[in-house]
This record gives sequence, C-alpha cells and structure tokens, in this order.
Amino acid sequence: KAGVTQTPRYLIKTRGQQVTLSCSPISGHRSVSWYQQTPGQGLQFLFEYFSETQRNKGNFPGRFSGRQFSNSRSEMNVSTLELGDSALYLCASSGPGANTGELFFGEGSRLTVL
Amino acid sequence: EDQVTQSPEALRLQEGESSSLNCSYTVSGLRGLFWYRQDPGKGPEFLFTLYSAGEEKEKERLKATLTKKESFLHITAPKPEDSATYLCAVQAGETSGSRLTFGEGTQLTVNP
Repeated sequence: KAGVTQTPRYLIKTRGQQVTLSCSPISGHRSVSWYQQTPGQGLQFLFEYFSETQRNKGNFPGRFSGRQFSNSRSEMNVSTLELGDSALYLCASSGPGANTGELFFGEGSRLTVL
Repeated sequence: EDQVTQSPEALRLQEGESSSLNCSYTVSGLRGLFWYRQDPGKGPEFLFTLYSAGEEKEKERLKATLTKKESFLHITAPKPEDSATYLCAVQAGETSGSRLTFGEGTQLTVNP
C-alpha cells in the first residue's frame, strides 16, 4: 500500500512569488491535513479537508489556501511568498474508522524563499 | 489556547540505558494525546494514542502513559535505531478533526 506522496520534494522561490504543493493521500483515506514545520515554531496546523470540504483551519493568513479534489488528492497554495514561509510543508492523511489524529505523514515539501 | 511542552529538548543515552521523555499539556476538552517519531528528512510516524488518565500503550521498547496533566514515553533498553525526535501532540475539542497541537519534540540520541 503506497504511502502519502508529496510533490515537489524541494523547491526554491523568491519573495512575492506563489507556490503550489501537491499531496496524494493513502488510497481510501478521505481526510487530508497540512502542517508547516519550522525550527522555531515546530509543527503547526494549516488546514484539513474531508470530501472536498475544508473541515478545520489553523491560524495562518489568507495567503495560505488549499483545496481537495474528488479523488481526495489535495493541493495547498501560498501566494505572495515571504522569507518566513521557508519551511517543511507536511501533508497527512487519516483513514476510515481511525481516530482522525492518527495521521500518516508524507515526507514533505521543503520550501526555501529567497 | 492549547499548549504542549516537551522535556528535555535533547537526550543522549548509551545503548541499554532506560529513560523517560515528558510531555506536559494544557487543553480544554482532551480528545486524545498522540506520540509520533520523526527521523531526519522524514515526516512524523504515528506511535500511540492515549485517551484517558491511567491508560498505557506499549510497542517494543516504548511505553506511553497518561495522567491528567502529562504523558511519559518510557524507553527501555534503547538501541541506536531508536534515535529520532519524539513528538507529542494533543487533540482537543469536539470538532478538532485532524487539528493537533504539537510540542517542540525531544531529540533522542542513543550511542552504541
């Protein structure tokens, strides 16, 4: 059974640009959530999607957005990038019948903003 | 606001030297407390879920316990392959879903 797949793994952008990150959850998992990980702030929740609907949202500015498609794949977008957006962006999925906090994480997309 | 504090920040052990990691939490309406392991360059890997005070879960050399204010991850006779960052997280509130509040983690190094 394939795990959570995130693309791209690494990317470099400059301030003011925008970026789109992609996530394919484990087959059969309909809940997808996104987290930002930085050395100073640790892991912080961005948002969660279930059946194409945003179910929860963290305390991030509106520049951070996401969506989920009918096949459960998800994308997140960050517009007008700032230096502080440099981070590891992790996608996670959770399966039916399990506690929604039991997350399967991908390896992340490491974003560097110059 | 939910808060999770882990200690120590870093721990260095000799192989076979047992120890415990601490996770203190302040939440309103705890639904679950989770332990994850994260290896360098990888995403966190789920280990345990604890729901109520007094509960314990075990897996190989790891045992997680929960009280009303903190959780401990006991590592018995650790091996070098147990070296990783261990993360504690809480899930609070009825509509929390996959919204977890994580601690900063404890970086464990086990020397052979």
